[in-house]
Amino acid sequence: EVQLVESGGGLVQPGGSLRLSCAASGFTFSTYSMNWVRQAPGKGLEWVSYISSRSSIIYYADSVKGRFTISRDNAKNSLYLQMNSLRAEDTAVYFCAREEDIKYGSDYWGQGTLVTVSS
Amino acid sequence: QSALTQPASVSGSPGQSITISCTGTSSDIGAYNYVSWYQHHPGKAPQLMIYEVSNRPSGISNRFSGSKSGNTASLTISGLQAEDEADYYCCSYTSSSPWVFGGGTKLTVL
Repeated sequence: EVQLVESGGGLVQPGGSLRLSCAASGFTFSTYSMNWVRQAPGKGLEWVSYISSRSSIIYYADSVKGRFTISRDNAKNSLYLQMNSLRAEDTAVYFCAREEDIKYGSDYWGQGTLVTVSS
Repeated sequence: QSALTQPASVSGSPGQSITISCTGTSSDIGAYNYVSWYQHHPGKAPQLMIYEVSNRPSGISNRFSGSKSGNTASLTISGLQAEDEADYYCCSYTSSSPWVFGGGTKLTVL
C-alpha cells in the first residue's frame, strides 16, 4: 500500500525555520518525482515545490523562492522541505504528493502536517 | 503565476449532474493537455479524480468526467451522491511554475 506520511510541522515564530519530512513507503520512491503543496486556513491548494526523481530538476513557487529548499534522500525513501525566514503567510497544512509523470498528476498524497507561524 | 479561476461553490440534488469550470490562460490550460482534478474532503488527503484532461485513475467512478475547450477545463459529476460533497480543485501544468491550482469549488449535495 502506498503511504506518504508528513512530519515536522509545528508552531514557529516569524523569521524562524522548520524542516518538514515526508516518509514514503509501498512504492519505489526513487522512480517518482515529488511535490509539496500547501493549504492555508480557509484557502485553496497552492503548489509550493517540485523535485524530480534524481533531484536533477527543482522548481519553487515565487512565494517561497529563496526561502524554502526541497531535497530528497532516495536511500531513506524520504522527501524534505527546509523552510527558512518563515512568515505568517506561510501558515498552512503542507502536503507531500508523488508524481510519476506530468501527464498523470499527483496520484497519492499524504494527510499533511500543520505549520503555524506566529509570535 | 495566477491561480486558475473556479466558481466558489456549486450545488445539486442527488442523482443530478453538475459541472465545475476552470478557466486559465494560453500559458497553462490552453497550452497543455495536463489538466488534473482533485477531490478534497477537509482533514483528509486530496484524491486525484481526473488526469490529462479526461482520464480517470483506476478505481475512480465513471460518474466523474473531464473535458477541455480552449483555456477552460471542466469537471462533470453525474448521478450526484452524498459522498461527492467535497472541495474540488483543478490543476494545470504551466510554462512557468510548473503547476498552478484553481481556487477550489465547494460542492454541496442538497
